[in-house]
Amino acid sequence: GAVVSQHPSRVICKSGTSVKIECRSLDFQATTMFWYRQFPKQSLMLMATSNEGSKATYEQGVEKDKFLINHASLTLSTLTVTSAHPEDSSFYICSASQRGRGYNEQFFGPGTRLTVL
Amino acid sequence: AQSVTQPDIHITVSEGASLELRCNYSYGATPYLFWYVQSPGQGLQLLLKYFSGDTLVQGIKGFEAEFKRSQSSFNLRKPSVHWSDAAEYFCAVGLTKAAGNKLTFGGGTRVLVKP
Repeated sequence: GAVVSQHPSRVICKSGTSVKIECRSLDFQATTMFWYRQFPKQSLMLMATSNEGSKATYEQGVEKDKFLINHASLTLSTLTVTSAHPEDSSFYICSASQRGRGYNEQFFGPGTRLTVL
Repeated sequence: AQSVTQPDIHITVSEGASLELRCNYSYGATPYLFWYVQSPGQGLQLLLKYFSGDTLVQGIKGFEAEFKRSQSSFNLRKPSVHWSDAAEYFCAVGLTKAAGNKLTFGGGTRVLVKP
């Protein structure tokens, strides 16, 4: 149980284009989804938190107009990198959690490697 | 603000030898603590977690970790390392629901296994 998928696993795009990454919870309802970014040989940095049906909450320094997050259903959240540039190339990982009593553990997706040429 | 420190950026260990990865945290409330492993180009796999109770926690792949409140530490151990344990290891502290259940990660420790 608690499986999270991401699509695509890899994407290469030209500078200036937009890229959408999907994050799905396959066997549970994800009331909250998180988006992380990981540069090579670095740790994960939280970009934003999204609750189903609400606007995402972005961490300090993350441009919300650049990284559009939608969490329209309890099983799907999307991250759209708008007008991507080479510096946006990174590994993007999502996680999902289900509201319950106690701590709501996060379950991670396999990640999406974005390369912007 | 919360923080997680993994003092060792790299550790090299011989196959069959024991391994200990250090993790220190700073958090004002009762911490929820996690260890994850990440192979190159892959997502995170949960090794073990501590929420409460017994401070010695057993995880998958033969790993264990001990929570020491007095030292604000949650060190990961494995008695005998296998070549497949070569990977990046991340310690994380989970915040309370009131703080959004966010995770704060340490910088990671890369483990290299010598044959």
